[in-house]
Amino acid sequence: EVQLVESGGGLVKPGGSLRLSCAASGFTFSSYSLNWVRQAPGKGLEWVSSVRSRSRDIYYADSVKGRFTISRDNAKNSLFLQMNSLRVEDTAVYYCTRDINYGSGSYIDFWGLGTLVTVSS
Amino acid sequence: SSELTQDPAVSVALGQTGRITCQGDSLRTYYVSWYQQKPGQAPVLVIYANNKRPSGIPDRFSGSSSGTTASLTITGAQAEDEADYFCNSRDTSGDHHWVFGGGTKLTVL
Repeated sequence: EVQLVESGGGLVKPGGSLRLSCAASGFTFSSYSLNWVRQAPGKGLEWVSSVRSRSRDIYYADSVKGRFTISRDNAKNSLFLQMNSLRVEDTAVYYCTRDINYGSGSYIDFWGLGTLVTVSS
Repeated sequence: SSELTQDPAVSVALGQTGRITCQGDSLRTYYVSWYQQKPGQAPVLVIYANNKRPSGIPDRFSGSSSGTTASLTITGAQAEDEADYFCNSRDTSGDHHWVFGGGTKLTVL
């Protein structure tokens, strides 16, 4: 059974830092691209960052570029998001998600339960 | 970057057919996926690659996409289908970015 379990969320002051983790199981972790997607309270979904299977290709939304860093440890089946210079508008539930290749494209097929990050003074 | 536009709310009578639409330029090029999200829960994939249904998703859920518009149809809506629904595709700014619609709240009357 595929499982993605996020951790590391919490309350942090503006300008502070936080490191999120996602522990994966039930699939060959190193073969998949992974993403962080966030959802502000009562709002929609926003893609944050992606990392390809071998970590050579990494992508960020403009809203977090230069402040967040995505990484993965394929030996430990883990995905990370280092968040620096946090802003009030970064407050959200952060989901770890998995990409599946299909035909000429791909889709996000599985989501973790999420971890809540609250940025407030 | 591209955008996906959804109506904020759609209602459907119990047992009737409800349709949720998603519009965006990226849909001309990329597959659309649909996710169901109930309060306090993570999103669940209900349609991928425009019209494919994952195992375990009832066949009352179907999808289509043409040009810049995609649709999620629920035929014979049930009370448990009341949820938020989000469409999703790759972003036209790059194959490696994702974009989501703003979500549609489906109410089953």
